Amino acid sequence: GAGVSQTPSNKVTEKGKYVELRCDPISGHTALYWYRQSLGQGPEFLIYFQGTGAADDSGLPNDRFFAVRPEGSVSTLKIQRTERGDSAVYLCASSQGLAGGRNEQFFGPGTRLTVL
Amino acid sequence: QQQVKQSPQSLIVQKGGIPIINCAYENTAFDYFPWYQQFPGKGPALLIAIRPDVSEKKEGRFTISFNKSAKQFSLHIMDSQPGDSATYFCAARGAGGAQKLVFGQGTRLTINP
Repeated sequence: GAGVSQTPSNKVTEKGKYVELRCDPISGHTALYWYRQSLGQGPEFLIYFQGTGAADDSGLPNDRFFAVRPEGSVSTLKIQRTERGDSAVYLCASSQGLAGGRNEQFFGPGTRLTVL
Repeated sequence: QQQVKQSPQSLIVQKGGIPIINCAYENTAFDYFPWYQQFPGKGPALLIAIRPDVSEKKEGRFTISFNKSAKQFSLHIMDSQPGDSATYFCAARGAGGAQKLVFGQGTRLTINP
């Protein structure tokens, strides 16, 4: 079976532009997570979905960042008015979303966003 | 409270040696502690994980040691190989299953032939 896929793999944009990053989770996984990884750092949590709803969006840095998962599968992370500080690798992960158990998070390869 | 502190930042070991990476946490609500391995250009991949009710877990050449009272845990890699050269992250997660992971800062490990 396919793992988590993310598109595009690389995105270069100019300061002030709008970008969308897409994540296709593992089929059947109800939980989906977005993380941001800056160079030389560990991933930092942004938002997590259980089904279609955002269960925890406490990691979104400001209101320029928004994410949706309208049908409970594919998710899109949207960044408005991009700033140079938004440059990072954006990672998506998915898990079975069970109430107990390991709920291993499987990560995609990430989208490298560069804001010029 | 939410931080996980990881050390060292980088580590160089000869083939066959036993690199040890350490992590410490403050939040006693964490109940699941995974270690991830990340190669350049790839996403993190789960290596091994432990819950705080056990003091040690082994999977192949990878061992986690867990000290609940000290709120510390560590990764040991036995018989290290050049192919183990990667960045390693410890992480912690709160109770309830589908929760966010809080990651350490990462350790860049190099195994020399």
